[in-house]
Amino acid sequence: EVRLVESGGGLVQPGRSLRLSCVVSGFSIDDYAINWFRQAPGKGLEWVGFIRRKSNGGTTEYAASVKGRFTISTDDPKSIAYLQMNSLEIDDTAVYYCIRAPRTVGGIMFFDFWGQGILVTVSS
Amino acid sequence: QPVVTQEPSLTVSPGGTVTLTCASSTGVVTSGHYPNWFQHKPGQAPTSLIYSTNNKHSWTPARFSGSLLGGKAALTLSGVQPEDEAEYYCLLYSGSVFIWVFGGGTKLTVL
Repeated sequence: EVRLVESGGGLVQPGRSLRLSCVVSGFSIDDYAINWFRQAPGKGLEWVGFIRRKSNGGTTEYAASVKGRFTISTDDPKSIAYLQMNSLEIDDTAVYYCIRAPRTVGGIMFFDFWGQGILVTVSS
Repeated sequence: QPVVTQEPSLTVSPGGTVTLTCASSTGVVTSGHYPNWFQHKPGQAPTSLIYSTNNKHSWTPARFSGSLLGGKAALTLSGVQPEDEAEYYCLLYSGSVFIWVFGGGTKLTVL
């Protein structure tokens, strides 16, 4: 059974850092890209960024709203993906989801399994 | 960054058919935007419904279908069930800047 479980959320002050973890099971994290999405209270979903699988370079892409502040990485032997969030702002308050992203035969990324989400609250 | 627009809300009767659309500020939505559709019910994690315009996941009910319609991505529900009441989000790829952009979501009411 494919599972993704986020942890590490909570209350943090503006300007501080927080690291979210996404522990995966039921598949090898080596074989998939991992994306992070978020949803602020009362708002819609927002794509945060993703990390390519190692065979595609393991490189990352980010939304403009978090670029330079957030970093996605993976620890493949531990089957964990991380979202390191620095210089947190009030507007980063949201439920954060990690999502598995396979590729089609044509090499196009898509999205299938989601974690249950974890709340991050940025407030003084 | 492109802006992706969806109908804010739609209402459909049980057993009816409804089409939700997804437009891009950059112009015509094509297969090269690799449209994805997601369903989000309150208190639950979103679920993936459609990828690359019209491909269903193994768990996607047959009554859901994706297409390109009038320059937009579209999600059609045929034979709507009460449990289809949810928020629906589309997601488009912008290859020029390697980013994905969500639409604002459509709140579908089954009444």
